[in-house]
Amino acid sequence: NFMLTQPHSVSESPGKTVTISCTRSSGSIASNYVQWYQQRPGSSPTTVIYGDNQRPSGVPDRFSGSIDSSSNSASLTISGLKTEDEADYYCQSYDSSTHVVFGGGTKLTVL
Amino acid sequence: EVQLVESGGGLVQSGGSLRLSCVASGFTFSSYWMSWVRQAPGKGLEWVANIKQDGSEKYYVDSVKGRFTISRDNAKNSLYLQMNSLRAEDTAVYYCARTRTGYYGMDVWGQGTTVTVSS
Repeated sequence: NFMLTQPHSVSESPGKTVTISCTRSSGSIASNYVQWYQQRPGSSPTTVIYGDNQRPSGVPDRFSGSIDSSSNSASLTISGLKTEDEADYYCQSYDSSTHVVFGGGTKLTVL
Repeated sequence: EVQLVESGGGLVQSGGSLRLSCVASGFTFSSYWMSWVRQAPGKGLEWVANIKQDGSEKYYVDSVKGRFTISRDNAKNSLYLQMNSLRAEDTAVYYCARTRTGYYGMDVWGQGTTVTVSS
């Protein structure tokens, strides 16, 4: 099995752009799709990115996802930050045995 | 409206058992892989188990193997998690989640049910 490592926290000002990384410990990041979830306090997670870079309907195009094989990592980029984007963000992938793996989560503060 | 509603959580002593249920509505339940995901207080998300559409394949995180059993009843649009030999570290909010076809990610989540294991 592999691990997904995220920064514990990031902060940025409204209107700016922030990028959250998710690094896979072993195996290629490109081997299995990566998803990103947003979780606001007291709420269930919701998907903001699936399939590495696909946005579900209803998710604004300020959210984008990418993968970088050279660093074996995935990234979630949020542009034009709004205070409502303040939340915990989790990356997620899976292994060849369909075991699901979550990153440890990143707390985004918009100040 | 696509919806997942969990129930069955509660307070249980260490070594005890609980059975969680999740009722699905608004979609063809039998067409989707389903998962249980938990979140300990103040901690991150942890995948617990998943099950194939017809129940023929089931997978578990190592920490619950041999203690938890995932199952489903497609006729009742229901997903279950039988939890035995519960430990304090199983204390968490347990979410039922639908797996997005082809991506092994979750696209619909329930509101969660809280399990507290007292030692």
